[in-house]
Amino acid sequence: NAGVMQNPRHLVRRRGQEARLRCSPMKGHSHVYWYRQLPEEGLKFMVYLQKENIIDESGMPKERFSAEFPKEGPSILRIQQVVRGDSAAYFCASSPPSASSYNEQFFGPGTRLTVL
Amino acid sequence: AQSVTQLDSHVSVSEGTPVLLRCNYSSSYSPSLFWYVQHPNKGLQLLLKYTSAATLVKGINGFEAEFKKSETSFHLTKPSAHMSDAAEYFCVVSSGNTGKLIFGQGTTLQVKP
Repeated sequence: NAGVMQNPRHLVRRRGQEARLRCSPMKGHSHVYWYRQLPEEGLKFMVYLQKENIIDESGMPKERFSAEFPKEGPSILRIQQVVRGDSAAYFCASSPPSASSYNEQFFGPGTRLTVL
Repeated sequence: AQSVTQLDSHVSVSEGTPVLLRCNYSSSYSPSLFWYVQHPNKGLQLLLKYTSAATLVKGINGFEAEFKKSETSFHLTKPSAHMSDAAEYFCVVSSGNTGKLIFGQGTTLQVKP
């Protein structure tokens, strides 16, 4: 059973470009979470999605950031018009369908975004 | 609202000596608590989790943690450090019904030969 997959692992963008980060959850998992880790900091929750639904986006910046988890295919975190402050590691995690606060979240290896 | 505070940003131990990484939590109800480890440029791996079944929780690689409600603590310990334990450790609390995780700032564990 493959783990959570993220691609690309490293992404370089110039200011003003768009960044698309992809996450494929573990097989059988229908809950996806995105977290951002700024340098020298812990991870911060961004958004929680189930298939075709955004459940909790309380951690998402109000502008330029969006996320989706379509019926088919990976979850996508999209950052429009990137700025240098968006440089960070973005981690995706997934958990089984019976989501509860007790469930372990399984993390992907992360995408390291660098904005020049 | 839930939160966690990791009391030490850096801990340095010698190989073979005990490890203690401290964590205090704040929660308005019985929390679910986790410790995750992150090796350089890698993802996060779950070490152990507390879900109210037992206050002393055993995890992987010889780590364990004790939930103390009276002290609102969930410290991570290991009797004998190994060089491969050098990494970043995060104390984490799960928030509400959505299960989103709230991370502490992390503790960098250095293991000296």
